Amino acid sequence: DAKTTQPPSMDCAEGRAANLPCNHSTISGNEYVYWYRQIHSQGPQYIIHGLKNNETNEMASLIITEDRKSSTLILPHATLRDTAVYYCIVRVAGSGGSNYKLTFGKGTLLTVNP
Amino acid sequence: DTEVTQTPKHLVMGMTNKKSLKCEQHMGHRAMYWYKQKAKKPPELMFVYSYEKLSINESVPSRFSPECPNSSLLNLHLHALQPEDSALYLCASSQAVAGRETQYFGPGTRLLVL
Repeated sequence: DAKTTQPPSMDCAEGRAANLPCNHSTISGNEYVYWYRQIHSQGPQYIIHGLKNNETNEMASLIITEDRKSSTLILPHATLRDTAVYYCIVRVAGSGGSNYKLTFGKGTLLTVNP
Repeated sequence: DTEVTQTPKHLVMGMTNKKSLKCEQHMGHRAMYWYKQKAKKPPELMFVYSYEKLSINESVPSRFSPECPNSSLLNLHLHALQPEDSALYLCASSQAVAGRETQYFGPGTRLLVL
């Protein structure tokens, strides 16, 4: 799996949009970008994933650059409950190799301030 | 229902004790996972079960013994653990063992080995 680079920490004001960047410059054509988050002392929670196109769901939006070397997770209106470690993970979509596992990096600690 | 449950929430055990962690899901998922997470570190995969058979063992010491009694349950039997095994143990499940499958995590069992 391609490696990802994320800033170790970010702050965001409550009610504002939180934009979390991820660099995955060595991503391959068949690799998806996944985002998970982990609120303190809880299990990781799936947020969103995408291949090429921008994606949106009820939790967040995922913007992937045209060259796919970086992406941004957007939480449109951050709340205090969004304070968590956000992990950007790149995975191959197929069933072979090491695709079975999520390889978590260090992630970004997002702190939403009142 | 996208819930994975784990019991107990907390466990304290001595190095000579035998204990078990339990995980349950009712999403019809056929892949189940055990991850270990040390303090301030990302989760790391330990075991993968696919269709109730152990398919991946990430070189985990034999004092950790997984068991999948049926498609909804996953156990982790613990024996002769060391203090360095103290960690958050996370269970996850997915439709299948493949990179495109979203993994859903339980809240974890926080284990302290004295």
